[in-house]
Amino acid sequence: GENVEQHPSTLSVQEGDSAVIKCTYSDSASNYFPWYKQELGKRPQLIIDIRSNVGEKKDQRIAVTLNKTAKHFSLHITETQPEDSAVYFCAASRAEYGNKLVFGAGTILRVKS
Amino acid sequence: EPEVTQTPSHQVTQMGQEVILRCVPISNHLYFYWYRQILGQKVEFLVSFYNNEISEKSEIFDDQFSVERPDGSNFTLKIRSTKLEDSAMYFCASKDFPFGGGQPQHFGDGTRLSIL
Repeated sequence: GENVEQHPSTLSVQEGDSAVIKCTYSDSASNYFPWYKQELGKRPQLIIDIRSNVGEKKDQRIAVTLNKTAKHFSLHITETQPEDSAVYFCAASRAEYGNKLVFGAGTILRVKS
Repeated sequence: EPEVTQTPSHQVTQMGQEVILRCVPISNHLYFYWYRQILGQKVEFLVSFYNNEISEKSEIFDDQFSVERPDGSNFTLKIRSTKLEDSAMYFCASKDFPFGGGQPQHFGDGTRLSIL
């Protein structure tokens, strides 16, 4: 079945440094890749997404890159701040017809001030 | 900004009892989902719902589970005879018109289900 692998499981960075989280997916028909941030006890909140016709997308300090050939996509956070500390989940989906999201296992990001 | 709302926020139930989790999706959305997240683990898909019927369900979504859209606004998940392993956070999500390549799913705050 479909699977999404996410690494690392935990990531500690110093405030101001960059953080990179990587995911690989198994379903070659996946064409939509969102990233969610989840704070303790809260809902997953979409922070950025990318579709398979695009290789890179940026929104202020957050960027996502996609390599369809390798079935690999990554989240990049620059100039990290303490409020970036949370669990980050990648997900993959076939965008059409309301298909489900398949989530990665999550990355606990700790930004130390 | 419109939000998905879920009630209750926390439900405590005895094993073997029935439980109904309620969701109000964003009003113009067409696709509805239930996911669950066992403490410390990933978010797992349970079921998707469109046009008043189930579109897809996972192997977790067995005969003990059912979903319903009883009116134009609510979307419910029922577990008929709860087990200890049903303890988890249950998230409802909804999504806008599907065409045009990838629309985000919007999640509710979740219902924490505790089975005793």
